[in-house]
Parts: sequence; C-alpha cells; structure tokens
Amino acid sequence: AQSVAQPEDQVNVAEGNPLTVKCTYSVSGNPYLFWYVQYPNRGLQFLLKYITGDNLVKGSYGFEAEFNKSQTSFHLKKPSALVSDSALYFCAVRGLGSGNTGKLIFGQGTTLQVKP
Amino acid sequence: GAVVSQHPSRVICKSGTSVKIECRSLDFQATTMFWYRQFPKQSLMLMATSNEGSKATYEQGVEKDKFLINHASLTLSTLTVTSAHPEDSSFYICSARGTGTGSREQYFGPGTRLTVT
Repeated sequence: AQSVAQPEDQVNVAEGNPLTVKCTYSVSGNPYLFWYVQYPNRGLQFLLKYITGDNLVKGSYGFEAEFNKSQTSFHLKKPSALVSDSALYFCAVRGLGSGNTGKLIFGQGTTLQVKP
Repeated sequence: GAVVSQHPSRVICKSGTSVKIECRSLDFQATTMFWYRQFPKQSLMLMATSNEGSKATYEQGVEKDKFLINHASLTLSTLTVTSAHPEDSSFYICSARGTGTGSREQYFGPGTRLTVT
C-alpha cells in the first residue's frame, strides 16, 4: 500500500535559520511527490513536485526539496525561514497503478512555527 | 495559473437540512475533481473522485447517499451534504485536475467551512 509519513507534528525554528520538514514515503515503482502549504482556513497551495530528473527540486517562496530514493524521503527545506512561512505543510504522493485516477495520498501534516 | 473556487466559503445550517457546495475550475477544464474533508489540525481525507459525465467513485467508509457528488460539466462539481448532522461539521476542500501536460497536478479550492447546528 502507498503511504506518506511526516514524523514531526510541529517544527519550530527561529527566523533566518534554515528549516527542514521531513517526509518519507512508501510506494511501489517511481513516485510522484508533492509538497503543499495550508494557511488557516484556506485551501492548499502547491509548493513543488518531483516527477523525474534532478533530485533537488526548487519550488515557490524559496522552498526546495530533495528526493532521496535510497532513504525513500522527500524532505522540504528552506535556507532562511521567514515568520510568514508559519503554516501547515503537507507532503503527498500520487497514487500509481492501473486504473488510478491520480488521487493524492497525504501525510498527516507538519505545523511549522517560525519565531522572530 | 490554474484557479479553483469554492462557494460558499462558510455555511451554517440546521441539523436535518441539506447543503450544496460548489467547486469550479475558473481557467481550465477539469476532467477530474476530488473532494476532501479535513478536521481541525488533521490531514485531508479523500472522500470521492468525480469524473465529468460519470458517477463519482467514493472512498471506503464514505456514504454516497449522504454525500452526493455531481460533475455535470468540465468546470463544475458539486457536493451536497444531505440531512446534515453536527458530526458533518468540517472543512471541505475540492481539487481539480485538468488535461494536458499539467494534468499531474491538482489545484485546490480555498475550502468551505460547514457548521451544522
């Protein structure tokens, strides 16, 4: 079965410091991986995706993520955190296999708190 | 970029009534739309997948007679919560996936907060 895990419920960092939000996945075959951000009472905003190619993916708002096949991880990173980055972050994998409609399987979410 | 809207953004209804939530893709045609439910500080739970012109596919444990989904056009899908109860109170989010090279991405609506009193 395909699954996504975000081991941290919350990540706290100081503004200006680098941040990492962890994600590991379990799929058969090559995964399509995504990161989304959600602000309070809002829908999800797309940050970045990995389909194929370079393992380091750059996305919106200065975020990037590194696909590591051997560790089955897709951690989200940013070199210098901003207070405005404080939000709920979701990692997701697209379901694969015949007949699949492309539904996303989400991790449980990680709250990022950036303090001034 | 692709924009998905939802209406209403917030609705309060009385127990036993029905509520309809609309999901529209504003600048692209969505062959597939997804409906999610999210409880506070929790992940999104996929409720159903709808393809234009065909019946929705519901996830296990989701009552299709309670959560009616219609995808009548390539830009509109509706979710109707029938005979709503307080336990149906939640944040409902739709997403849409179009055709073409960008079809691997889902574009999410802003969500609808449903409160059943």
